Amino acid sequence: EAQVTQNPRYLITVTGKKLTVTCSQNMNHEYMSWYRQDPGLGLRQIYYSMNVEVTDKGDVPEGYKVSRKEKRNFPLILESPSPNQTSLYFCASSSGVGSYNEQFFGPGTRLTVL
Amino acid sequence: SQQGEEDPQALSIQEGENATMNCSYKTSINNLQWYRQNSGRGLVHLILIRSNEREKHSGRLRVTLDTSKKSSSLLITASRAADTASYFCATDGGETSGSRLTFGEGTQLTVNP
Repeated sequence: EAQVTQNPRYLITVTGKKLTVTCSQNMNHEYMSWYRQDPGLGLRQIYYSMNVEVTDKGDVPEGYKVSRKEKRNFPLILESPSPNQTSLYFCASSSGVGSYNEQFFGPGTRLTVL
Repeated sequence: SQQGEEDPQALSIQEGENATMNCSYKTSINNLQWYRQNSGRGLVHLILIRSNEREKHSGRLRVTLDTSKKSSSLLITASRAADTASYFCATDGGETSGSRLTFGEGTQLTVNP
């Protein structure tokens, strides 16, 4: 089954404790991205990747890192999480450039930073 | 500020009625997409309309695009309780940031049985 998976689905952590949210897709998609969703703010893009070893900042990249060492994986790294990063996070992938193609979304990761 | 903004923020209708949601955006675009999100879950792609298209249909969905007014509308005909969800439009930045998608805040649609 074609899908985007994220882990963990739920995470409660404390300020400053480094964490990684994994994202994996099995559709051989070139384009992958991370979004955060907050009430009243909609979805905002954090980072995106056009292909392996190619990443770029989205609208709200501060406090986040990403890497794209393999085509299927696009982990989101929070080196020193803060409470304002409490949010619902989504990974998405598409074939080719994201704006020209259907985005496939993962199920989401609900992160709480205390 | 958001590239795409949906209107209304919330819409409540009876089953069988039509639902219309609007999206306005600020800069030129290459494409506009509509997505649906059931509460707390991932977004699901509904339809993509290119800047040179004016109307597109998919089942009970009809999307229009007016690039002169920088607006789009999503019409769901003969709505069902299962259509209850949030609906988002997503736009790119045209020539300036075509690889990035910007989502609006969404319209929360409630279809009452």
